[in-house]
Amino acid sequence: DGGITQSPKYLFRKEGQNVTLSCEQNLNHDAMYWYRQDPGQGLRLIYYSQIVNDFQKGDIAEGYSVSREKKESFPLTVTSAQKNPTAFYLCASSTKGTSGYTQYFGPGTRLTVL
Amino acid sequence: EDQVTQSPEALRLQEGESSSLNCSYTVSGLRGLFWYRQDPGKGPEFLFTLYSAGEEKEKERLKATLTKKESFLHITAPKPEDSATYLCAVRDYGQNFVFGPGTRLSVLP
Repeated sequence: DGGITQSPKYLFRKEGQNVTLSCEQNLNHDAMYWYRQDPGQGLRLIYYSQIVNDFQKGDIAEGYSVSREKKESFPLTVTSAQKNPTAFYLCASSTKGTSGYTQYFGPGTRLTVL
Repeated sequence: EDQVTQSPEALRLQEGESSSLNCSYTVSGLRGLFWYRQDPGKGPEFLFTLYSAGEEKEKERLKATLTKKESFLHITAPKPEDSATYLCAVRDYGQNFVFGPGTRLSVLP
């Protein structure tokens, strides 16, 4: 089955800890994205990567870091510098198909700061 | 700056009561308008992509249309299982996707 997997589904973090959220895709997509979703707000872009070993900051990159060492993987680290990390985190990937670009999403990780 | 707004914020319908959701956008060169369905606690599920004004796409009880400034998601004879949040997004020439806040749809039996 082709798709995007995210782990863990739920994650709890203590103040001052760094945590890493996993995102893997087997769709052979070139581009991958990380979004944050808060209640009542649209998805906000944290980081994106168009190719391996390259990534760009999105609108709310402060307190987050990423890596793209493999085409299939795009992990997100939430650092202690992120002051309000409690949110639902979504990973997505996209590629150009016969009718243009479409973005597909993983199931999400809910991060809670204790 | 690209912007996407959606209305209404929330919509309650009786089963079988047709209605429409609106997505208004401003974008520097539209490279696609996307509709997604999101159930609570899950990732968005892709529904449609529209690229040019006048384009329409249908899937079961859903039909999406596009003009130069907005898109509509028409829901015909909805069922309770259509209850979800519907998200609209646009892609610009910069290859970024901008999302609206969504419309929460509740269909009552």
